[in-house]
Amino acid sequence: GESVGLHLPTLSVQEGDNSIINCAYSNSASDYFIWYKQESGKGPQFIIDIRSNMDKRQGQRVTVLLNKTVKHLSLQIAATQPGDSAVYFCAEKGNAGNMLTFGGGTRLMVKP
Amino acid sequence: GAVVSQHPSWVICKSGTSVKIECRSLDFQATTMFWYRQFPKQSLMLMATSNEGSKATYEQGVEKDKFLINHASLTLSTLTVTSAHPEDSSFYICSALTGANEKLFFGSGTQLSVL
Repeated sequence: GESVGLHLPTLSVQEGDNSIINCAYSNSASDYFIWYKQESGKGPQFIIDIRSNMDKRQGQRVTVLLNKTVKHLSLQIAATQPGDSAVYFCAEKGNAGNMLTFGGGTRLMVKP
Repeated sequence: GAVVSQHPSWVICKSGTSVKIECRSLDFQATTMFWYRQFPKQSLMLMATSNEGSKATYEQGVEKDKFLINHASLTLSTLTVTSAHPEDSSFYICSALTGANEKLFFGSGTQLSVL
């Protein structure tokens, strides 16, 4: 039978442009945040993380920004490439236990 | 990064069959592993937390007798879907927690299709 589920929001960008993917989290006690990239049929791949005592962290072509006041996390990808096309999930971990809670995900499509 | 191997990557089985999925941490020891389920176009839903040498902790709504988890060693956790039915068809993903810096690495996932 047909399955009914959520449709992922999609961000479409031109190759070479910068991408910004946003995520709102719910638990104000979360102290660790991670961005994952998931390509079709594969498991999530770690991109970058940030702890709650920071508001910005940079990696190679990626930057994560954390705004604890409004419980908002963003992932910025510079010079987006076709290989960046995937679904991106943010995840948060509370200060008790090791469980990660995942956001709904955003599909990034890069147009050549 | 650390490597987590998940096997098999794809399973097609008849209704009523039990299916075992393996999750191995290849270059580190993982006292804690997690099992997730993912439906198409949806996020990952945690099913259970697998702790080496003890019983798994299941999330609310996940039947422990349906989804058997065994974490017998520091590098291997298994998920057995017992008497699988078509509604169990899904993408199952494991992850393992590295002890050193508490990063979570994922396996490549297993697509289960129950006919």
